[in-house]
Amino acid sequence: DSGVTQTPKHLITATGQRVTLRCSPRSGDLSVYWYQQSLDQGLQFLIQYYNGEERAKGNILERFSAQQFPDLHSELNLSSLELGDSALYFCASGSGANVLTFGAGSRLTVL
Amino acid sequence: GESVGLHLPTLSVQEGDNSIINCAYSNSASDYFIWYKQESGKGPQFIIDIRSNMDKRQGQRVTVLLNKTVKHLSLQIAATQPGDSAVYFCAENIHSGGGADGLTFGKGTHLIIQP
Repeated sequence: DSGVTQTPKHLITATGQRVTLRCSPRSGDLSVYWYQQSLDQGLQFLIQYYNGEERAKGNILERFSAQQFPDLHSELNLSSLELGDSALYFCASGSGANVLTFGAGSRLTVL
Repeated sequence: GESVGLHLPTLSVQEGDNSIINCAYSNSASDYFIWYKQESGKGPQFIIDIRSNMDKRQGQRVTVLLNKTVKHLSLQIAATQPGDSAVYFCAENIHSGGGADGLTFGKGTHLIIQP
């Protein structure tokens, strides 16, 4: 157990729908990062939050959004889902250093 | 395109042999590199890191070598065991003082251990 908790582990939904993925960072970590992992793109950085504020953006689509709450948990919202959004979504947390601790991921399948 | 990439998508080695996984990077401003291991069904797990002011760093059964001249990074695993079967990712960061932009990952090498 890495200390980073992600829910749900698996999610199956239809195109056009909206889903929310949740992440609880490791105790003491203020930063939360979201990554998308697909077979052809590897691990792609989506977005980072630090203590509730957006810190950096990567290859995140406009249909996707995220936020970090006062208790430091984070949610990644994916809307108007397309088949190509099927992937593993990882949350990672960090304490300001470069080493990230990853959760087990949420596998999203869009049918 | 990516600034971090891996030479081989799959590497097959005999149990007990040493494994060498390679990684090339193109951003000369990168000053911090990490190797992650991802086992099936799990998230990436930190193995070892190295800063650009070093050319070698050793851990338990693992060694990371950094050649800044040719922008090449390698991970050596000694006496490979079945539990080493996984996908290995190299990652870079140009902000060694903090993870402001997260890490840029390569596509990964799948290490397969033959009995």
